[in-house]
Amino acid sequence: GAGVSQTPSNKVTEKGKYVELRCDPISGHTALYWYRQSLGQGPEFLIYFQGTGAADDSGLPNDRFFAVRPEGSVSTLKIQRTERGDSAVYLCASSISPDTGELFFGEGSRLTVL
Amino acid sequence: EDQVTQSPEALRLQEGESSSLNCSYTVSGLRGLFWYRQDPGKGPEFLFTLYSAGEEKEKERLKATLTKKESFLHITAPKPEDSATYLCAVQSAGGTSYGKLTFGQGTILTVHP
Repeated sequence: GAGVSQTPSNKVTEKGKYVELRCDPISGHTALYWYRQSLGQGPEFLIYFQGTGAADDSGLPNDRFFAVRPEGSVSTLKIQRTERGDSAVYLCASSISPDTGELFFGEGSRLTVL
Repeated sequence: EDQVTQSPEALRLQEGESSSLNCSYTVSGLRGLFWYRQDPGKGPEFLFTLYSAGEEKEKERLKATLTKKESFLHITAPKPEDSATYLCAVQSAGGTSYGKLTFGQGTILTVHP
């Protein structure tokens, strides 16, 4: 596609439920990133994939968060037992290689946990 | 731990009124400093990368500069379409990739016609 695509754009769920957020990066981009942005704050790094493997997951806040990229393209961020504090915009970004900080961001998935 | 602080938090300008946004940072070896623009409801859009003190980059009405402690984003004769949140981010040496960035909280710029 022309840009990074994220679905759903909005997700409302109840505390304790399981959520999946999907990211379709720009074709040919090998590096994929997930960031989280709370209201009034800058994006916060969660995890980085180079190809199919998670090269750096140091930003995942706890073991309720997990992400996969099984075929080196589409990625899914999975959140178990959601908590109200998980409410934020989850941004996905891709880049043509890990050697650049020029990231192409999607529009984000806004998660609201009631 | 890398830290980025942006000021002011919000800036209101009249069209044509030039000004600067500040980004102060502490990082264990700077690999790169980045400026992004974010419109409401959208993801950040890349503007500039700066690598070393003294470096400058320009794009239309924007010019980014870098010192050892801070970066400035100068906006010359702004237009209403320059209204957005401007984000500064750093990447430290030794990181796993250039894309693992530490962002500041952003400066919300509003330009009135």
